[in-house]
Amino acid sequence: QVQLQQSGPGLVKPSQTLSLTCAISGDSVSSNTAAWNWIRQSPSRGLEWLGRTYYRSKWYNDYAPSVKSRITIKPDTSKNQFSLQLNSVTPEDTAVYYCTTQQVDVWGKGTTVTVSS
Amino acid sequence: QSVLIQPPSASGTPGQRVTISCSGSSSNIGSNSVNWYQQLPRTAPKLLMYKNSQRPSGVPDRFSGSKSGTSASLAISGLQSEDEADYYCASWDGSLNGWVFGGGTKLTVL
Repeated sequence: QVQLQQSGPGLVKPSQTLSLTCAISGDSVSSNTAAWNWIRQSPSRGLEWLGRTYYRSKWYNDYAPSVKSRITIKPDTSKNQFSLQLNSVTPEDTAVYYCTTQQVDVWGKGTTVTVSS
Repeated sequence: QSVLIQPPSASGTPGQRVTISCSGSSSNIGSNSVNWYQQLPRTAPKLLMYKNSQRPSGVPDRFSGSKSGTSASLAISGLQSEDEADYYCASWDGSLNGWVFGGGTKLTVL
C-alpha cells in the first residue's frame, strides 16, 4: 500500500520560491512503472495538475503549460521522495498542494500554501 | 474554466438515485479512462472509481460509474446523508500530456 507524506512551509512571500517535498513509502520513486504528480486546488482554479516526474531508464518530466516556465519537479532517490519548486510565486499561487501517484489514486494529505507578505 | 465539464450542483433525498455527469473531448475521456473522487471538507480527494467503473476496495456498491464516447457518469443509489460531498471527475489528456479535472459537483442530501 503506497503512502505519501508531504512536508514544506505553509507561507511563502511573493516573488519567492515555493518548495514542497513528498516522501514515498510502499514504492520506489525510481520504479520503471510509476510516475509521481503534483496537483493543486484553489477556489478560483479548482483542481489543477502541475506536473510529474518518472523514470524510464532515465528521468523525465512533464509540466502544465500554465506553470511550465516556473516549475521544477525533482526526484531524490537517496530519500525515496520527490519535490516541487515553483518560482516567482504570486498570491494566485495560494492553494492546497497535493502529491499523488501516477494514476492519481493515492494522495498526500495536502499542504495549504499561502502566498503573502 | 475546467477542461472537464460537470454540473456545479446535484441533490436528492435519502434513498434516491442521483447521477453526476462529466463531459470531455476526444483527447481525454474519448481516449482514456475516467477516475471519480469524493472530497469531504478540509480533506484530500478520495478515489471513488477508476478505469470508468472499477471500485477500489471499501467503496460501497451503491456507487457505480460508466463511460460513453467523450462523457462519463457517476451514479449513487440509495442516497445516504454521508454521501453529501464534492465529487470530481478526472482523465488523462493526451494533447496536454497531463491530467485534467472537472470543476466539481456539490451533492446535497435533502
